[in-house]
Amino acid sequence: GENVEQHPSTLSVQEGDSAVIKCTYSDSASNYFPWYKQELGKGPQLIIDIRSNVGEKKDQRIAVTLNKTAKHFSLHITETQPEDSAVYFCAASTAGNEKLTFGTGTRLTIIP
Amino acid sequence: NAGVTQTPKFQVLKTGQSMTLQCAQDMNHNSMYWYRQDPGMGLRLIYYSASEGTTDKGEVPNGYNVSRLNKREFSLRLESAAPSQTSVYFCALGKGSSYEQYFGPGTRLTVT
Repeated sequence: GENVEQHPSTLSVQEGDSAVIKCTYSDSASNYFPWYKQELGKGPQLIIDIRSNVGEKKDQRIAVTLNKTAKHFSLHITETQPEDSAVYFCAASTAGNEKLTFGTGTRLTIIP
Repeated sequence: NAGVTQTPKFQVLKTGQSMTLQCAQDMNHNSMYWYRQDPGMGLRLIYYSASEGTTDKGEVPNGYNVSRLNKREFSLRLESAAPSQTSVYFCALGKGSSYEQYFGPGTRLTVT
C-alpha cells in the first residue's frame, strides 16, 4: 500500500520568513495530494491540494509543488504570520481508491 | 468543521467497556470515514463507507465495528475497549476518492 513520509516533524521560523514542509510517497499511481492544517483542539482542514496533472498550485501565501518523477511534493508558506502556527499534514491517494494516506505531521511554530 | 458533528466530545472508559461514537453530516456526501490520531502517527484510517449500507476496512480496523444505516450517519463501536484504543477519533466525509475530506471536531477517548 501507499506510504507517505513527511519532514520535518517540527519547524520553527521567524515571523515573515518562509516555511517549507516536504513529503514523499511510494505509490506511483497516486494522483491526488492534499495538505491539511490542524489547529489545537480541532479537526484537520484542507488548505490546498494538487492533482498529478499539474506541477505547482498557489493560493495567496501558500503553494504546493509536485515532482512526479521523484515522487515528492512540498508545501511552501511565504510571509509567515502567527496564525500559521499549527500542525500540517500531507496526504496522498490514488484514483478509484477511497483511502487517503497521511504523513505523520509537522508542527510549525511562528516566532514573533 | 461545519456540516460534521461528533458525539461525545470526551469519554473515559474502563478496560472491557463498550461504547459507540456517533457521526452525523448535513452535507449530503456519499463517503464517510473514521480515523484515529495518535502522537507521531498522523491520521490512520479505521473504516470507511463509500455509500449507505456499505463499509470497508481501513488500515487499523481491529477492535472496531462500524454501521452506516443511512446516508447521514456513520457510527464507530468499540465492543471491548482496550488501553491501546486511547486516542482522538475523527469522522470525515467527502465526495469520494481524489477529493477533499471534511473533518469533524473529534472525540477524545481515554481507556484506563
